[in-house]
Amino acid sequence: GENVEQHPSTLSVQEGDSAVIKCTYSDSASNYFPWYKQELGKGPQLIIDIRSNVGEKKDQRIAVTLNKTAKHFSLHITETQPEDSAVYFCAAWNYGQNFVFGPGTRLSVLP
Amino acid sequence: DGGITQSPKYLFRKEGQNVTLSCEQNLNHDAMYWYRQDPGQGLRLIYYSQIVNDFQKGDIAEGYSVSREKKESFPLTVTSAQKNPTAFYLCASSSGQGARAFFGQGTRLTVV
Repeated sequence: GENVEQHPSTLSVQEGDSAVIKCTYSDSASNYFPWYKQELGKGPQLIIDIRSNVGEKKDQRIAVTLNKTAKHFSLHITETQPEDSAVYFCAAWNYGQNFVFGPGTRLSVLP
Repeated sequence: DGGITQSPKYLFRKEGQNVTLSCEQNLNHDAMYWYRQDPGQGLRLIYYSQIVNDFQKGDIAEGYSVSREKKESFPLTVTSAQKNPTAFYLCASSSGQGARAFFGQGTRLTVV
């Protein structure tokens, strides 16, 4: 079945710097890749997603890139702010497997 | 106010007791999911339902049961057979397979 790896597990950046989180997936049938942000004690919030027919998608300070050949996708956050501090999860979806989540990345934005 | 409502937010259970977690959505979504999250870990799928009156086991279904009698409701029962039930439980819904999934705010279950 599908396996999603996520790196790094923790990431600290200075406010205003960029942050990049990378995920790899194993099943080439996966065709939808969402990213979630989870704040302490809350449910995950969908922040951006990408489908396999698109290589890149951007929403203000957040972007996601997808490399289908290499089977990896990345979350890019520019001009980080303290409120970006949270745990970020990537996921891969394919028919029959549903969503498979990565283990998460704890992002700390230092003022 | 549209969304997914999980209740209660905190739940305490004595060993040997069954307990039911509520999940209600008013998004008119066909698919609903239950995930378990342990400290510092990712999300593991317990059960999912793509349509009313039908549901499928996920990766860690043992010790859990669900029902889907109404489109908007997908309650999860944690039975006494679940050996380590203390965890954060998350419910999600989506409009269908491969569609965006949205989560509730979770229920933290503690066995005392």
